[in-house]
Order: sequence, then structure tokens, then C-alpha cells
Amino acid sequence: KQEVTQIPAALSVPEGENLVLNCSFTDSAIYNLQWFRQDPGKGLTSLLLIQSSQREQTSGRLNASLDKSSGRSTLYIAASQPGDSATYLCAVSNNNDMRFGAGTRLTVKP
Amino acid sequence: ETGVTQTPRHLVMGMTNKKSLKCEQHLGHNAMYWYKQSAKKPLELMFVYNFKEQTENNSVPSRFSPECPNSSHLFLHLHTLQPEDSALYLCASSQATGTGSYEQYFGPGTRLTVT
Repeated sequence: KQEVTQIPAALSVPEGENLVLNCSFTDSAIYNLQWFRQDPGKGLTSLLLIQSSQREQTSGRLNASLDKSSGRSTLYIAASQPGDSATYLCAVSNNNDMRFGAGTRLTVKP
Repeated sequence: ETGVTQTPRHLVMGMTNKKSLKCEQHLGHNAMYWYKQSAKKPLELMFVYNFKEQTENNSVPSRFSPECPNSSHLFLHLHTLQPEDSALYLCASSQATGTGSYEQYFGPGTRLTVT
């Protein structure tokens, strides 16, 4: 059974810092890995999707990497802003099944 | 706006009530999903529909009954719920499921409280 772990559970940084969020998974037989953002009480917003054959994806200040063989992904956020404060979730997909991590709650202080 | 809408946004119901959650997607997708998000637990996949056919049921209790009349609409019928069923219920859609690698788009969720 696929298990997804996100470290750290919570992170607080001053504005302007670069930061890395980590995601690990136990079964490397995945189709893709997706990073989401969730604001309090809201739904999920997709940030980046990495196919199993890819090693990274970039969108603006976000860069996500995937090392399938070691079961790891990182989400790099450059020049963090207070508006980046949210919970960040990673999810791995295999056929009909999608497994989520518990998330990292990020706070960016002005 | 992700193109996936859910109604109602908030619902309070007693344990003997019957209610339904509705999800609609305007993205032309063929797959739809129900997820449950409880406090301090990861999102749990409940049901998957692909081209209106249920392809996944992750051991969900029968008091939750999904319905997918067409590829754009998904319902979750609720009856005889328990207080521990209180959670945020999220709907998502994607182009399809299976061997493809499709991005999922989520609705805003329905916050359900069972009293």
C-alpha cells in the first residue's frame, strides 16, 4: 500500500527566503506526482504535475523535482512571499488510486 | 475558479437525515472523484468514476452512496451518518483515469457537520 510522507509538517520563514518542501513515497511504481496548494477551508489548487518519466517541472517561482527510484520529490519556492502562506500537499497517482501526504503548513512572515 | 463547482458549500445534518452533495465540472473531463478530508488526516479517496462507470470504491461505508448520471455531474447521497463523518468533502475531475497521467482539478469542497 502506497504511503506518502511530507516533511516538515509546518514551516515558518521570513519573507524573501528560498525554501524546500519534501515529499517521500514508498512505492516507486507511480504514474505521476502532483503538488497542490490548499488555503484554509478551501479546495485544492494544482501547482505542478510531474509525469513519471520526467525529473522536474517549473512554474514561475516554483520548481518541483522527482526522483522516482528513491521515492522522493521536492518543491522549491524561490523568494517566498506572505501570499505563499498555505498548506502544500503532494499526491502520487497509480491508475485509479491517488494517495496524499498530510501536507506542510507554510507561513511566510512579512 | 478551477471549473469544478460544489454545492452546498456548508451542510449541517442530523444523524437521521438524508442529504445529497452535488459536484459539476465544466472542463469536458471524463473522470470524477470524491475525496474526504478529516481534521489532521490526509485526503482519502472515496470513489472514482470514469466515463460514468464506477471504477474505484475504497471500502467506503454504505451510508455514502455515489451517483454519476453523466460525465459532468457527480452526487454523493448521505444517510444515517455518524458524527465522525464530519469533514470537508472534495470533488475533483480529470480528463480520464487509468494508464494516462492526468492532472486533477478540485472543487472548493462541502464542509459537512453531523450533529
